[in-house]
Amino acid sequence: GENVEQHPSTLSVQEGDSAVIKCTYSDSASNYFPWYKQELGKGPQLIIDIRSNVGEKKDQRIAVTLNKTAKHFSLHITETQPEDSAVYFCAAARTGNQFYFGTGTSLTVIP
Amino acid sequence: GAGVSQSPRYKVAKRGQDVALRCDPISGHVSLFWYQQALGQGPEFLTYFQNEAQLDKSGLPSDRFFAERPEGSVSTLKIQRTQQEDSAVYLCASSWGLAETQYFGPGTRLLVL
Repeated sequence: GENVEQHPSTLSVQEGDSAVIKCTYSDSASNYFPWYKQELGKGPQLIIDIRSNVGEKKDQRIAVTLNKTAKHFSLHITETQPEDSAVYFCAAARTGNQFYFGTGTSLTVIP
Repeated sequence: GAGVSQSPRYKVAKRGQDVALRCDPISGHVSLFWYQQALGQGPEFLTYFQNEAQLDKSGLPSDRFFAERPEGSVSTLKIQRTQQEDSAVYLCASSWGLAETQYFGPGTRLLVL
């Protein structure tokens, strides 16, 4: 099956700086890569996703890049704000299969 | 519109008790997933339904775990003879189809004493 690795496990940034979280996957057939934000005591919420036919996608301060050859994808958050503090999970999936999640990155934005 | 809801939000069980966890998916969503999330870890797949059919239960850790979705909407995850290692957050997610965007509920936090 798929194996998703996520780094770093913890990340602290100053408010206004950028944050980058990286994931690698093992199954070259994976074609859908969502990112979720999970706040304490809540379920994961989708923040952005990308499909394998696209190299980059942006939504306001959040962007995701995908390198299919290297089998890695990254989440970029610019102009970070305290409310961005949460745990972020990447996931990989292919049609006809379930989501495989990374182990999470705990992001702290320091005011 | 309403999102995915789960009940109860918290459940404390004595070891050996049976528990039932409920998930109400987003109306019209065909696919329903159950995940188990241990403390400090990412969600791990348990089982998947398409309408009322359970198409994949490869993630269920033992035969003490059983899930159903008899009418293709609400789903129940049942754990028989709970063990301490069953303590985790159980997440439910729904989507229009497999490998499409999954929307998660708030989870049920199960603590087995």
